[in-house]
Amino acid sequence: DVKVTQSSRYLVKRTGEKVFLECVQDMDHENMFWYRQDPGLGLRLIYFSYDVKMKEKGDIPEGYSVSREKKERFSLILESASTNQTSMYLCASIPGRATDGNTIYFGEGSWLTVV
Amino acid sequence: AQSVSQHNHHVILSEAASLELGCNYSYGGTVNLFWYVQYPGQHLQLLLKYFSGDPLVKGIKGFEAEFIKSKFSFNLRKPSVQWSDTAEYFCAVNSGKFYFGSGTKLNVKP
Repeated sequence: DVKVTQSSRYLVKRTGEKVFLECVQDMDHENMFWYRQDPGLGLRLIYFSYDVKMKEKGDIPEGYSVSREKKERFSLILESASTNQTSMYLCASIPGRATDGNTIYFGEGSWLTVV
Repeated sequence: AQSVSQHNHHVILSEAASLELGCNYSYGGTVNLFWYVQYPGQHLQLLLKYFSGDPLVKGIKGFEAEFIKSKFSFNLRKPSVQWSDTAEYFCAVNSGKFYFGSGTKLNVKP
């Protein structure tokens, strides 16, 4: 079974703090994603990486950055957390090329509250 | 930019009613299309997917979806819903990046 692991399930951070959300997948997938899920807005893509050290912005990259130094690990960084970044963050991975018909695998999610 | 539109934000049905949830996407190239379901308090689960071949795809739990390329649509259907289908449903498109719609909440009254 594919496993996508998000190390932090529940976090409470203060406004202005730097926050790291870590994600590791164990199936050698090329593509990894970070989403945030908010009620009524669905899953919105923050950043996407298709290879080590490669990244692309999604729909809502402002206030976030990412790091992919190793294939299995994709980190989301909130440079200076703000209350509007309180959300559920989902990491995901997918093998191969975009149109191979592969499905996406999600982590358990990280609930971040910024106070 | 790629977008995925789900027309219905909240649908309420009685058991045994038929269901159709709309999904349209804006990307013109080759895409893979998916429907996911999220039951209350649970994670996203794959219902069905389309990537080539027969545009009518069948998924789990009696769901099906039809890909109509000319309409950029991938609507989800079920002939007779059950109370246990109460959940939020997400359409998704993979065109290189994996995009999700905003979701449709389905409440099925027993």
